[in-house]
Amino acid sequence: QVQLVQSGAEVKKPGSSVRVSCRSSGGTFSSYAISWARQAPGQGLEWLGGIIPIFGITKYAQRFQGRLTITAGESTSTAYMELSSLGSEDTAMYYCARSNSGTTTLGDAYIIWGQGTMVTVSS
Amino acid sequence: SYALTQPTSVSAAPGQTATISCGGNDIGSKGVHWYQQKPGQAPVLVIRYDGDRPSGIPERFFGSNSGNTATLTISRVEADDEADYYCQVWDNNNDHPGIIFGGGTTLTVL
Repeated sequence: QVQLVQSGAEVKKPGSSVRVSCRSSGGTFSSYAISWARQAPGQGLEWLGGIIPIFGITKYAQRFQGRLTITAGESTSTAYMELSSLGSEDTAMYYCARSNSGTTTLGDAYIIWGQGTMVTVSS
Repeated sequence: SYALTQPTSVSAAPGQTATISCGGNDIGSKGVHWYQQKPGQAPVLVIRYDGDRPSGIPERFFGSNSGNTATLTISRVEADDEADYYCQVWDNNNDHPGIIFGGGTTLTVL
């Protein structure tokens, strides 16, 4: 059974950057949609952006444009999310998620989720 | 920008039916996915594309979508169903397309 394994918790200073990895235990990401979402303590889910490596499709939520970078190679089993210019409002659990099957849309359903990576921004 | 509206909370007694709505402008023209999230856990997909249940999801979970409202119905509610539920759509905004999540609904089993 495919699992997504994310990197460990991070504590960052305001203004710095964080990079979170998401590794698939069952092969490459290739034609799957990979999205990143976050959840601030006690809050709901928020989509950050996503990628479909085989089609070279990468989209970011408008509010993260310019400070978010999502990467994943066609032939790799690891995706990355890097968020810069961190502020206290970026303190949250960050999740990666994968679509169930090969897809051409980031709007697909996400059936496999990583365990989450807690990012804390504090001076 | 596109927005999805969910009730903050719903409750149901064991054995009864719980209904969770997800409102959005012409949401019936979009594919809606539903996730269940229990405290301290990652979300779990329970309904995809309006009404399709992934393998392993009980038949008690039913989804529908029409007009301006999508609905997740959980029949014969069990204690284990107590969780937060989120709806998701793809907003095909020409300038900034992206995934939109509803604000989430907490289901309390009485």
